Amino acid sequence: DGGITQSPKYLFRKEGQNVTLSCEQNLNHDAMYWYRQDPGQGLRLIYYSQIVNDFQKGDIAEGYSVSREKKESFPLTVTSAQKNPTAFYLCASALEQGLKSYEQYFGPGTRLTVT
Amino acid sequence: AQSVAQPEDQVNVAEGNPLTVKCTYSVSGNPYLFWYVQYPNRGLQFLLKYITGDNLVKGSYGFEAEFNKSQTSFHLKKPSALVSDSALYFCAVRDIRGENDYKLSFGAGTTVTVRA
Repeated sequence: DGGITQSPKYLFRKEGQNVTLSCEQNLNHDAMYWYRQDPGQGLRLIYYSQIVNDFQKGDIAEGYSVSREKKESFPLTVTSAQKNPTAFYLCASALEQGLKSYEQYFGPGTRLTVT
Repeated sequence: AQSVAQPEDQVNVAEGNPLTVKCTYSVSGNPYLFWYVQYPNRGLQFLLKYITGDNLVKGSYGFEAEFNKSQTSFHLKKPSALVSDSALYFCAVRDIRGENDYKLSFGAGTTVTVRA
């Protein structure tokens, strides 16, 4: 998990409330990612960002929003429009240089429970 | 489009026995392949990757994986499993054909249990 921090570790919210999950990295990585993990479904990509002030939707972006104002930070907002927000959320970062592919490093995750 | 299949939800082995976790992939071009491990309520830890070169890749904690292009497989192996290897293992693939596609596709995961 080193180099990437996510906070908080556990988060509880009432239905209808927006909530923002924090992700910070000190690895000087260009790219950052948000994934959602549900039991038996592996990881699904929500949003990713290759450079500051730019981001792209992943496979399940509906009901989520992100920003990338700083290279080190990539916060994820889970909005009230997300129908089933309870899940384990993982942030990752990677060094990207041209077509070279480097492994993604993951944070410790945030477990969000919405009731 | 790219995808990964891990055909076994669970793998159970005795400590000291060989461990194999299977992975097959589908990509349009040449694949970059990765294995990650996850312990309960933790993030994923990188184990190893195949980019190019030797088909047998060695990684962390004594794990290795063999890239087989004809069978589109990238099985993870460990000659002698430890109880501490019990965890959830993910295979992932990235298709390098798309120059602007930075997405990694993950399999559903395989739970490994090593009994003492």
